[in-house]
Amino acid sequence: RKEVEQDPGPFNVPEGATVAFNCTYSNSASQSFFWYRQDCRKEPKLLMSVYSSGNEDGRFTAQLNRASQYISLLIRDSKLSDSATYLCVVNGASGNTGKLIFGQGTTLQVKP
Amino acid sequence: GAVVSQHPSWVICKSGTSVKIECRSLDFQATTMFWYRQFPKQSLMLMATSNEGSKATYEQGVEKDKFLINHASLTLSTLTVTSAHPEDSSFYICSARRTGPSGTQYFGPGTRLLVL
Repeated sequence: RKEVEQDPGPFNVPEGATVAFNCTYSNSASQSFFWYRQDCRKEPKLLMSVYSSGNEDGRFTAQLNRASQYISLLIRDSKLSDSATYLCVVNGASGNTGKLIFGQGTTLQVKP
Repeated sequence: GAVVSQHPSWVICKSGTSVKIECRSLDFQATTMFWYRQFPKQSLMLMATSNEGSKATYEQGVEKDKFLINHASLTLSTLTVTSAHPEDSSFYICSARRTGPSGTQYFGPGTRLLVL
């Protein structure tokens, strides 16, 4: 079983749509959770951290369910520029070691 | 924001040669840097953790004698792919972890290696 699992997609949605991505992780000792965005042939860039209470940044909302070891990302009012691969990332060990484990990524294509 | 650079951005080399990739944190100090590899349509895989002034910690399955890591200063880590072969062709990305309680990681732009 992969340590971080995501549906690779692709998700093809029209502009303005709301889309949700899900992710599960296997290490219950993980303490830090993130969503990164990766554009084609580029490095990943931090989109947002994910907190137990849930957090929102503009059109993006992240949720964490520790009991189910499940993380989600909701994108509202999709823009063409949101087209990218979204990576679910988990700190790979107990404590803040900085060792990040990446999911395979979910590809989003927003169409006009 | 914090900036991490990598050099070179792409490399094409013959099989058997060694390739050195540099990772620099430009405006902050990083006691820890990480080296990742990403094959097409796959996730980033951590290869090793580079610690300033000490030996790198390699992930299972990564040959330390093939992927030499040196972290000589708080702003520079190097990865040398020794005797590169076509199967080493990949996208190599480093990240630098800012020293301090926040510990946020910043990624370099990556280096594309093609071994012929």
